[in-house]
Amino acid sequence: EAQVTQNPRYLITVTGKKLTVTCSQNMNHEYMSWYRQDPGLGLRQIYYSMNVEVTDKGDVPEGYKVSRKEKRNFPLILESPSPNQTSLYFCASSPRHPYQETQYFGPGTRLLVL
Amino acid sequence: GQQVMQIPQYQHVQEGEDFTTYCNSSTTLSNIQWYKQRPGGHPVFLIQLVKSGEVKKQKRLTFQFGEAKKNSSLHITATQTTDVGTYFCAGPGGTGNQFYFGTGTSLTVIP
Repeated sequence: EAQVTQNPRYLITVTGKKLTVTCSQNMNHEYMSWYRQDPGLGLRQIYYSMNVEVTDKGDVPEGYKVSRKEKRNFPLILESPSPNQTSLYFCASSPRHPYQETQYFGPGTRLLVL
Repeated sequence: GQQVMQIPQYQHVQEGEDFTTYCNSSTTLSNIQWYKQRPGGHPVFLIQLVKSGEVKKQKRLTFQFGEAKKNSSLHITATQTTDVGTYFCAGPGGTGNQFYFGTGTSLTVIP
């Protein structure tokens, strides 16, 4: 089944404790992206990747890191989480840039930073 | 940075009533996409509009792209309880490789 998977689905952590949220797609998509969703703000793009080893900042990249060593995986890293990073996170992928194609979203990761 | 606003933020309607959400971008969009997110779910693609003034229909849903390509609307005729969710417009912006979502409109349908 074609899908985008994220793990974990729920995470409670404390300020400053490094964490990684994994994202994997099995559709051989080139474009992958991370978004955070907050009430009243919609989805805001954190980082995106056009292909392997090619990543770039979205609208709200501060406090986050990403890597794209393999085409299927695009982990989101929070080196030192802070409470303002409490949010719902979505990973998404599309065959090429979403300018041309729809994006397929993972189920989401709900993060609480205490 | 680029802003994509949607109004209203929330809308409650009686089942059978019509519903419209409006999307406005601070910059011209090369195309616009619409997504629906059910409560507790993830965004799901509905449609893409590319041409200025374009109108597309999907059963009871009508999507329109403004002439200046800075605004769009989604109209639902005779809402049903299955229409419940948050509707987002979205499009490319910034360097062209970034992607921006609107603030969303949450639709509640009262049976």
